[in-house]
Amino acid sequence: AQTVTQSQPEMSVQEAETVTLSCTYDTSESDYYLFWYKQPPSRQMILVIRQEAYKQQNATENRFSVNFQKAAKSFSLKISDSQLGDAAMYFCAYRTLYGGSQGNLIFGKGTKLSVKP
Amino acid sequence: EAGVAQSPRYKIIEKRQSVAFWCNPISGHATLYWYQQILGQGPKLLIQFQNNGVVDDSQLPKDRFSAERLKGVDSTLKIQPAKLEDSAVYLCASSSDRDTEAFFGQGTRLTVV
Repeated sequence: AQTVTQSQPEMSVQEAETVTLSCTYDTSESDYYLFWYKQPPSRQMILVIRQEAYKQQNATENRFSVNFQKAAKSFSLKISDSQLGDAAMYFCAYRTLYGGSQGNLIFGKGTKLSVKP
Repeated sequence: EAGVAQSPRYKIIEKRQSVAFWCNPISGHATLYWYQQILGQGPKLLIQFQNNGVVDDSQLPKDRFSAERLKGVDSTLKIQPAKLEDSAVYLCASSSDRDTEAFFGQGTRLTVV
């Protein structure tokens, strides 16, 4: 079974600075998707960025980028020029493409990000 | 495009009572998921539907939880009877196919007292 581990329960960053959130996962599959979701106090999960495992190039979305290391099973999120609105829970998620529950998301426990003005 | 709709937003019930949550996915999305998110943890899949058929309900406590998706559109998740440990946020999500991300509703926060 796949697992996702986020080892940083809380992180803090100064406004306009850069922060990196860590995520590792375990799988025996070769093809899958990885995601970072943001969950503000409103509770709605918002997709931040996604990475297809077969792509070597790291995904980038504006101020958000990932460092995807497939062999190491590592998937970190870098937030540049942090803004107050970035404060939220961030979840790393793995999406399997095989088996009876293909498409299901497996989440880590999350990292609470605080942004200081 | 309208997002995933869930109701109610909040619910407080006493233990042993029953409760139901409703979800309307994004139009055209064949796959619907119900997740349980206990405070301080990531969401955990309870049940996954493909159209109106169940794909995975291996983590659904079937002695007290039930879910249905009639006509392959909206879905209802029921808990009967509720226990204190059922206090959590219940998230509904939908996707158009397995190669795209899932879109989430705002969730229902359930408190069992």
